[in-house]
Amino acid sequence: QVRLQESGPGLVKPSETLSLTCTVSGDSISSYYLSWIRQPPGKGLEWIGYIYSTGSTNYNPSLKSRVTMSLDTSKNQFSLRLTSVTAADTALYYCARGHLGLPAALNWFDPWGQGTLVTVSS
Amino acid sequence: QSVLTQPPSVSGAPGQRVTISCTGSGSNIGAGYDVHWYQQLPGTAPKLLISGNSNRPSGVPDRFSGSKSGTSASLAITGLQAEDEADYHCQSYDSRLRGWVFGGGTKLTVL
Repeated sequence: QVRLQESGPGLVKPSETLSLTCTVSGDSISSYYLSWIRQPPGKGLEWIGYIYSTGSTNYNPSLKSRVTMSLDTSKNQFSLRLTSVTAADTALYYCARGHLGLPAALNWFDPWGQGTLVTVSS
Repeated sequence: QSVLTQPPSVSGAPGQRVTISCTGSGSNIGAGYDVHWYQQLPGTAPKLLISGNSNRPSGVPDRFSGSKSGTSASLAITGLQAEDEADYHCQSYDSRLRGWVFGGGTKLTVL
């Protein structure tokens, strides 16, 4: 059974960089779209971006200038960096995997990690 | 402001049927892209409920069904149970944004 687990600091200061890692267990990350999604407290879900197992990336245009995603296939991990954070970036951050063999436009998210709360505050 | 529009809340009594709508536009649902639904129980991560407009993953009760028409999609839940009380989110692909988009989520209350 594949499982995803987010890890990283729960508190980041304004203007600094948020860094999170997602560790995938139970299956390889090859040939999957690997995404980050966030949910501000009490609000809806926002797709941040994906990295495909080849290393190609696609980011939400609203965050594109601040987001970088990377992959470590040897550790079955992928990571998120979000620069110049503000209070508006406070959210539950989830990592999620796409469905094998489908193009991006047809894909969905399953499974999800349990999520990690990141608070931006001085 | 979410790209896909859902009602903030719906409610129903146990045993009743409720539907949750998800309205998009010509660059996402109306362009023919599939709609997927997720159930988020209180304090937990979203879980896939419906994929590809109407397909239930293994383990999802057949009380849950999805449909799509034009620029909208719907999630129907029949025989409401207390355990169905959760937030429900729709998701699709948007060709203008070239990425995935969500609805704002709908809170289902079982009366």
